Amino acid sequence: SAVISQKPSRDICQRGTSLTIQCQVDSQVTMMFWYRQQPGQSLTLIATANQGSEATYESGFVIDKFPISRPNLTFSTLTVSNMSPEDSSIYLCSVAVRAGVGINYGYTFGSGTRLTVV
Amino acid sequence: SQQGEEDPQALSIQEGENATMNCSYKTSINNLQWYRQNSGRGLVHLILIRSNEREKHSGRLRVTLDTSKKSSSLLITASRAADTASYFCATDRGGGSQGNLIFGKGTKLSVKP
Repeated sequence: SAVISQKPSRDICQRGTSLTIQCQVDSQVTMMFWYRQQPGQSLTLIATANQGSEATYESGFVIDKFPISRPNLTFSTLTVSNMSPEDSSIYLCSVAVRAGVGINYGYTFGSGTRLTVV
Repeated sequence: SQQGEEDPQALSIQEGENATMNCSYKTSINNLQWYRQNSGRGLVHLILIRSNEREKHSGRLRVTLDTSKKSSSLLITASRAADTASYFCATDRGGGSQGNLIFGKGTKLSVKP
């Protein structure tokens, strides 16, 4: 299965600033997924990053706040812009891998970026 | 929106005991998956069970799926301190495309040595 390198692993940022998170995959993948995990909560999909096209955002997430780049099939970045304390979360990237027969996908995740906004 | 609901929210057991976590969901699924997360790090895929399967094993893990009740369970046998983590179920609505996972809220498992 794919191996994802995600960085930074953690950061403490001042409100109003921006942070860019990077994910590098060791193989070419069509789609990469970005998730947010707020403290003590489950994962929520932010957007799907497709190479060569605009990212597709889920309800409640907008490109101005979470711009995404996908310059090639192995790399993506997520920027958390104009941060506020409410943005303090773990951010994770993910890719799908085939899981057995049929159209079944398991998902490999990066190690996460723990963001604290002060 | 959240679909999977795990229970219990937290579980504390002694090493060597079995741990059972349950997951319920609301809509039809293509498959259901279980993930482990150690201390706020990345998620590790544990096991996937397809909608036409009822039970699946992987090492000390046993997963069951009851589509009529829209529920699944994860059993960890002979638990170890290293099993301490949060466990999430995730349902895949299918449709032939990727990125259709909906995660539950998770069960926090603590295994005491």
